[in-house]
This record gives sequence, structure tokens and C-alpha cells, in this order.
Amino acid sequence: GAGVSQTPSNKVTEKGKYVELRCDPISGHTALYWYRQSLGQGPEFLIYFQGTGAADDSGLPNDRFFAVRPEGSVSTLKIQRTERGDSAVYLCASSQGGTGGLETQYFGPGTRLLVL
Amino acid sequence: QKEVEQDPGPLSVPEGAIVSLNCTYSNSAFQYFMWYRQYSRKGPELLMYTYSSGNKEDGRFTAQVDKSSKYISLFIRDSQPSDSATYLCAMTRLGFQKLVFGTGTRLLVSP
Repeated sequence: GAGVSQTPSNKVTEKGKYVELRCDPISGHTALYWYRQSLGQGPEFLIYFQGTGAADDSGLPNDRFFAVRPEGSVSTLKIQRTERGDSAVYLCASSQGGTGGLETQYFGPGTRLLVL
Repeated sequence: QKEVEQDPGPLSVPEGAIVSLNCTYSNSAFQYFMWYRQYSRKGPELLMYTYSSGNKEDGRFTAQVDKSSKYISLFIRDSQPSDSATYLCAMTRLGFQKLVFGTGTRLLVSP
């Protein structure tokens, strides 16, 4: 498929555990975004990558959250010491990147994280 | 107070009705205004966007932005059951890619 893919689609973990969520952007897209969507809410921005570097990480809620994109393609969102409040759908999006104007962000289906 | 306010609904209408969806915002720096559609258990999909104030039409959809009132609208004409989804408004500042979303309005169009 040509869209953004995210794995796993569902993740159940216990409070205090470490989780990794993966995002495969559309091929050729240099910009990648992570958002978090809690039940009944709109997506909330977490972090934006342009290439390998984080261009804006102002949405990361605390130091338990970390994201990487080492080769400028696949990205991993890492959550340490998970808390029940981390339960949400984690959405990844990608865009062409570097156009200088507003870019259409194409979203993946999300990873549903449940922390018990 | 949230930067972007949107009535969560649900909004129930009969097929063929004209639907009006709205958002208000507080940050006057927002310049790009978008409407996304999200089906259940799917990611949001961009419907249309507007730069600054004005209207934009695309088929059955019309987006309006009134920056003086900090108010944006999406109108759907001849609504169809397939339009049943959650509609999210989103906005951002010039030169920024970080989107600020509303809570989304759930729309139900009955046959």
C-alpha cells in the first residue's frame, strides 16, 4: 500500500512497562508527525520530524516520551514507565516536506495503546 | 480554555439535508484552516483547507473562514449516509506545520 502504516495496530501493556510504536511514512515523504488522540478528543500534536531531526518537539508531554527517526524514514515513538493516562490512539502522519508552505498531512490508522 | 473549540455532537440529520459544522478559536495567529474527516477506527483525512479569510468550495463541501470573529464553518450540501463520520477542524500558523485540532463533531446522516 502507498499510505502511512503503523504497527502494532493495538497494544495492551501494564502500568510501568516500556512500549515502542512504529510508523512507516509514505515513500519519499521527508516530514513525519506524531499525534495522540484520547477518547472523544481531537488529535494532539506531539512531535514533528524534518528528515532525521526533530523540528518541533513542543508537544511531548514529559521526558517519558521520546521519538527517533534515525534514517529519515521509519520513526519509533518510545514511552517509558507507561501510565494509565497514556492510553490513547497514537497517530502518525507524513507530508512531502520542504515545500515552504502548508503541507497536506496524510495520517495512518493509528496504534491503540491501552495501559492497564 | 482550549485554543480551538468544537461542539462534539452528535449531530443527526436526514439524508439530503444541509449540514453546518463550526469551530471557534482564540489564537489570532492562525492563518491556515482545515477540515478533516475521520471514520471510525481510521486516521483523519483532509477534506479541504483555506488560507486566511474567505470561502472555498469543493463539490458538496464549502469552507468559510471569518477571522474577525475567529469562526470557521464547513457546509455539506445534499448530505449522504456515507458522510457519517467525525469532522475535525484544524488550524496552524504561517510557517508552522504543527496542527491544532478541535475535539471533532460526530455527524450521523440517516437514510
